[in-house]
Amino acid sequence: AQSVTQPDIHITVSEGASLELRCNYSYGATPYLFWYVQSPGQGLQLLLKYFSGDTLVQGIKGFEAEFKRSQSSFNLRKPSVHWSDAAEYFCAVVRYSSASKIIFGSGTRLSIRP
Amino acid sequence: GAGVSQTPSNKVTEKGKYVELRCDPISGHTALYWYRQSLGQGPEFLIYFQGTGAADDSGLPNDRFFAVRPEGSVSTLKIQRTERGDSAVYLCASSLEGVEGSGANVLTFGAGSRLTVL
Repeated sequence: AQSVTQPDIHITVSEGASLELRCNYSYGATPYLFWYVQSPGQGLQLLLKYFSGDTLVQGIKGFEAEFKRSQSSFNLRKPSVHWSDAAEYFCAVVRYSSASKIIFGSGTRLSIRP
Repeated sequence: GAGVSQTPSNKVTEKGKYVELRCDPISGHTALYWYRQSLGQGPEFLIYFQGTGAADDSGLPNDRFFAVRPEGSVSTLKIQRTERGDSAVYLCASSLEGVEGSGANVLTFGAGSRLTVL
């Protein structure tokens, strides 16, 4: 069965520092991959998605993610974090091209050190 | 509407009671999803609809949970004989059913309905 692993439960970085959040998936073929962000008291918002093509995808708020087939990874990065980036981040995977069951990881909570 | 609307935003009930949670998806979105999110966890898939029919209900935990979408738009998640373990935020999301890469699978989430069972 397909699954998503986010190995880091909680990460703290200093404001202005770079960020990388890890995501690994388990599935034989190339799935469709997503990163969502959930700020306190708010709904989930899509940051970026990967369907095919260029393995480096750009998202909103200055985030990017790189799909690495050999490592079954889709890590999220940002070169310089802002205090407003403090939130919960979820990686998600779906198997088929049409609407289907989307599986979320358990999330990584990001805290920003002033 | 402009976004996915969920009501109520908060529901407190007593163990054993019946609860209904409503989701109004984005107009024109044919796919609708229900997820459950417990504290400190990622969203857990419950069920998804294509139009009026439940295309995949494999995530419903037991027969106390049921969802309908009679006209292919608004959906209601129904929980019978609620238990304390049902306490969570119930999330609804919708998406376009379309050409691969054009918008399919991009879920737009509502703010959720927080259910507390005492």
